[in-house]
Amino acid sequence: QLQLQESGPGLVKPSETLSLTCTVSGGSISDSSYYWGWIRQPPGKGLEWIGSIYYSGSTHYNPSLKSRVTISVDTSKNQFSLDLSSLTAADTAVYHCVRVMGAHSVDYWGQGTLVTVSS
Amino acid sequence: DIQMTQSPSSLSASVGDRVSITCRASQDISIYLAWFQQKPGKAPKSLIYAASSLHSGVPSKFTGSGSGTDFTLTITSLQPEDFATYYCQQYHAYPPTFGGGTRVEI
Repeated sequence: QLQLQESGPGLVKPSETLSLTCTVSGGSISDSSYYWGWIRQPPGKGLEWIGSIYYSGSTHYNPSLKSRVTISVDTSKNQFSLDLSSLTAADTAVYHCVRVMGAHSVDYWGQGTLVTVSS
Repeated sequence: DIQMTQSPSSLSASVGDRVSITCRASQDISIYLAWFQQKPGKAPKSLIYAASSLHSGVPSKFTGSGSGTDFTLTITSLQPEDFATYYCQQYHAYPPTFGGGTRVEI
């Protein structure tokens, strides 16, 4: 059974960069059938697609976040990562890592990790 | 971006009931529509993709229908484990966008 687990700091300061890692188990991140992505949900608000990456390193980013987002992959560790810069309180959210089937449909989700942006 | 509108935002039902949730897209998305279930503190679970195809392991009590702009998720014979929040997501156009969710309560 495929599992995805997010890890990273739960509290970051405004203007700093958030770095999260997703560790994939029960499957290979190099599987050519899938992308790997990030979705977030601010408390009490809706879900927002952040972006996704292929094992080769090819990426797609939400235009609303593109200037601040970098997603990278480490196939040797079966992990992929999210960096989000210039943080504000509006970036406070639960961040989920996901496996993405063709055409940006999600089949597996991580449980999510709450990241709070506060000084 | 394509706007996704779910209705109702919440509903009350009883064990054994049949419920339907509607999702409307702001433009034609063909069948590029997914549904998933979220319970507090748990990883969301993907239920349906391509409007009506069940993900592996999802019971047939979950049915998706629709195309174009109007879609429906129907759950038959509600069980205690089905009480959760349900979301739709379009992936016809980038970026993928989500409905606001429907909370199914006892």
